[in-house]
Amino acid sequence: AQSVTQLDSHVSVSEGTPVLLRCNYSSSYSPSLFWYVQHPNKGLQLLLKYTSAATLVKGINGFEAEFKKSETSFHLTKPSAHMSDAAEYFCVVFQAAGNKLTFGGGTRVLVKP
Amino acid sequence: KAGVTQTPRYLIKTRGQQVTLSCSPISGHRSVSWYQQTPGQGLQFLFEYFSETQRNKGNFPGRFSGRQFSNSRSEMNVSTLELGDSALYLCASSRTGIVNTGELFFGEGSRLTVL
Repeated sequence: AQSVTQLDSHVSVSEGTPVLLRCNYSSSYSPSLFWYVQHPNKGLQLLLKYTSAATLVKGINGFEAEFKKSETSFHLTKPSAHMSDAAEYFCVVFQAAGNKLTFGGGTRVLVKP
Repeated sequence: KAGVTQTPRYLIKTRGQQVTLSCSPISGHRSVSWYQQTPGQGLQFLFEYFSETQRNKGNFPGRFSGRQFSNSRSEMNVSTLELGDSALYLCASSRTGIVNTGELFFGEGSRLTVL
């Protein structure tokens, strides 16, 4: 069975400091992995995706994520947080076998000035 | 370029009623998918339509149904509403769809409250 676990439901960082959002997945096959961001009262927006090419994926707004198959992880990072990064972040797994799309529980990021 | 438009944005219904939500995708996108977002269950995939055909379906009861029209606009319907159906319903459009790991463009959602 496919599952996605975001290890932190809330993360609080100071503006200008690094952000790390952790995601672990389980999948029977090689999955495609995504990070989406949701700002308050808005829909989700794609930050980046991994589809079996380079394991280090760069996304929009300075975010990047590294796919580590041995650790079944796809953690999202940003070197310097900005106030506009305050939002909820979702790790998403797509498994072609069965066409299953599974969302993590979300990590809410608070950025302190 | 207009984004994904969902109507209505907010609605209140009572148990037992039915509701229809509408989603207009980005021009040129043939895939529309629907999601339910609740504080308890998080984000869950409902179904995806591509060129008027349901291509994927999540684990929801038959009370949840949808359709897609020839102009790619989609509707989802929930019959015999239950309190637990209170949620934010999001739709997303994509040029190639979930199967091809296409980028999903989300609307702002329809917030349904069931009393």
